[in-house]
Amino acid sequence: DAKTTQPPSMDCAEGRAANLPCNHSTISGNEYVYWYRQIHSQGPQYIIHGLKNNETNEMASLIITEDRKSSTLILPHATLRDTAVYYCIVRVYTGGFKTIFGAGTRLFVKA
Amino acid sequence: NAGVTQTPKFQVLKTGQSMTLQCAQDMNHEYMSWYRQDPGMGLRLIHYSVGAGITDQGEVPNGYNVSRSTTEDFPLRLLSAAPSQTSVYFCASSTDRGYGGHTGELFFGEGSRLTVL
Repeated sequence: DAKTTQPPSMDCAEGRAANLPCNHSTISGNEYVYWYRQIHSQGPQYIIHGLKNNETNEMASLIITEDRKSSTLILPHATLRDTAVYYCIVRVYTGGFKTIFGAGTRLFVKA
Repeated sequence: NAGVTQTPKFQVLKTGQSMTLQCAQDMNHEYMSWYRQDPGMGLRLIHYSVGAGITDQGEVPNGYNVSRSTTEDFPLRLLSAAPSQTSVYFCASSTDRGYGGHTGELFFGEGSRLTVL
């Protein structure tokens, strides 16, 4: 699976959009971009995933560049409860059972 | 559905003791995995299973054994506990089936916090 690079930490003001970047320059054509988050010491929670097109669900939006070498997770209106570690993962669809997590980005949402 | 259930939630062991962390899922997922997370660190894959009777090693398998006799259960055994195994352990399950809205993501349990003295 391709490796990813994320900033170690970011701040965001409550109510503003949080834009979390991820670089995955060695991504292969059949690899998806997945995002998870981990709030405090809970188990990670799936947020969203995509292959080529931008994706949106009730939690977030995922923007993938045309060359697929980077992506951005957007939390449109961050709340204090969005303070968490966010993991960007690149893998083939059938490889969920051996997902390798990196260090992620620690997002601090401030009032 | 309960999802992924881990027991115990907390455990303290002495060096050299053995124990088993239990993991059960009721979603009929074919895949299950064990991760450990040390304080302030990311998750590391210990072992995984792609179906009953089939297991394989992840990033950090030493000191741990697993077995998968049923689809639902995937216990993790510590053979001789060491202080370096003090960590939070997460079990996860997933499926590749495309129906029912499945997206290939991992479903995690709440974690088991293990301290080895």
